[in-house]
Amino acid sequence: DAKTTQPPSMDCAEGRAANLPCNHSTISGNEYVYWYRQIHSQGPQYIIHGLKNNETNEMASLIITEDRKSSTLILPHATLRDTAVYYCIVRARSNFGNEKLTFGTGTRLTIIP
Amino acid sequence: DAGVTQSPTHLIKTRGQQVTLRCSPKSGHDTVSWYQQALGQGPQFIFQYYEEEERQRGNFPDRFSGHQFPNYSSELNVNALLLGDSALYLCASSEDSWRTDTQYFGPGTRLTVL
Repeated sequence: DAKTTQPPSMDCAEGRAANLPCNHSTISGNEYVYWYRQIHSQGPQYIIHGLKNNETNEMASLIITEDRKSSTLILPHATLRDTAVYYCIVRARSNFGNEKLTFGTGTRLTIIP
Repeated sequence: DAGVTQSPTHLIKTRGQQVTLRCSPKSGHDTVSWYQQALGQGPQFIFQYYEEEERQRGNFPDRFSGHQFPNYSSELNVNALLLGDSALYLCASSEDSWRTDTQYFGPGTRLTVL
């Protein structure tokens, strides 16, 4: 079962920042937070991941609370092409294997023109 | 640099038949994972291959089997197809490295079982 809780849907105006929340209150010390998105009928696209520090790349920023029980993915200037289902995934990382991804139902983000 | 590729794009089979789906990993990746995504659901993990062996397996019956070749490409085989096997089948590749084990997905193969 997925270890995360996300709102089923959100809207955001084009050009504004999209803030997608994720709750992962049972996260363990060796578990990272990953974000993927899936545009209709395509394969999931990796966005970003982090452990406890905030992370930023060319696509998005990831803000993780100090207690690591929740996080927010920020798309700074949303465009229509950002309309997709966004998945927040908690994934263990270890020296003993490449751990699977456990997907929930995600948040369907719709960018409004 | 090509990303993860999968073939075929679409496939239609009838109940009871067998199917083989193929995946070529991203350059430099040695680990391949397979996922099944039913309509309206998130992807579900089937299994993972590394060094030509199945390393992890999800909750799927033995009708689902796989193979990894020396060049790291992989096949997913499904025997005795059921209507419920209709789904998008996704392949993800990654490096077997603690530092860089992010999984990158291919476009998927859409399987329809009639």
